[in-house]
Amino acid sequence: EAGVAQSPRYKIIEKRQSVAFWCNPISGHATLYWYQQILGQGPKLLIQFQNNGVVDDSQLPKDRFSAERLKGVDSTLKIQPAKLEDSAVYLCASSLGAPAGETQYFGPGTRLLVL
Amino acid sequence: AQSVTQLGSHVSVSEGALVLLRCNYSSSVPPYLFWYVQYPNQGLQLLLKYTSAATLVKGINGFEAEFKKSETSFHLTKPSAHMSDAAEYFCAAHGAGSYQLTFGKGTKLSVIP
Repeated sequence: EAGVAQSPRYKIIEKRQSVAFWCNPISGHATLYWYQQILGQGPKLLIQFQNNGVVDDSQLPKDRFSAERLKGVDSTLKIQPAKLEDSAVYLCASSLGAPAGETQYFGPGTRLLVL
Repeated sequence: AQSVTQLGSHVSVSEGALVLLRCNYSSSVPPYLFWYVQYPNQGLQLLLKYTSAATLVKGINGFEAEFKKSETSFHLTKPSAHMSDAAEYFCAAHGAGSYQLTFGKGTKLSVIP
C-alpha cells in the first residue's frame, strides 16, 4: 500500500514570495491533515479536512495561509506572502476517518526555508 | 485543552541498555495517547497507541508503553536499545471530544555503541 506522498521535499524561497505544497493521501482515506513542525518542536495542526470539507482550521494563519482539497483526494497548502518564521517542515497526514483514536499516517514532509 | 509534556529533550543510552522516554498529559478525562518515531528527513511513524483498552500497550520494534491514570503518564520503554532506535520520539494525545492531535516537543534518543 502506497503511503502519503508529498512534494516538493525541499523548497527555498525569499520572504514575501509565495509557495505551494502538494499532498496525496493514502487511497481511501477520507481525512487529511496539514501540520507545521518548527525546528525543535512537535508538529502543530494547521488544518483538517473530512473529504473536501474543512473540519478544523483554527490554527491556520488565514491572512497568509490557504489550503484546499478538491474532489476529496489531493490537497494543496499555499503560503502567500511567506515570512521568515514560516521556515519549518510541513507534514501532511491522512486517516481512514476521524473517530477517536484513529491512526494518522504521515508523509515525509516538505522542508521550507524562507530567506 | 489538551497538553503533552515530554521530559528531556535529549536522552542518551548505551546499546543494550533500557530505554525510558517520559510523557505526561494534562486532562481530566483519559485521552487517546500515541507515540510516534521520526527518523531524519522522514515523516512520523506510529509506534503504538492507547485507546482505553489494555493499559500496557505493545508496539512495533519492541517498544511498549503503560498508561497510568493516577500519574497522568504514558512513558515509552524498550528493554534493550539498538543502534537503529536512534531517532526523535513524539508523544501525542487527543481528547474524546476533539480530533486535534496535540504533540509534545519530542525527545531525541541517541544510542551509544
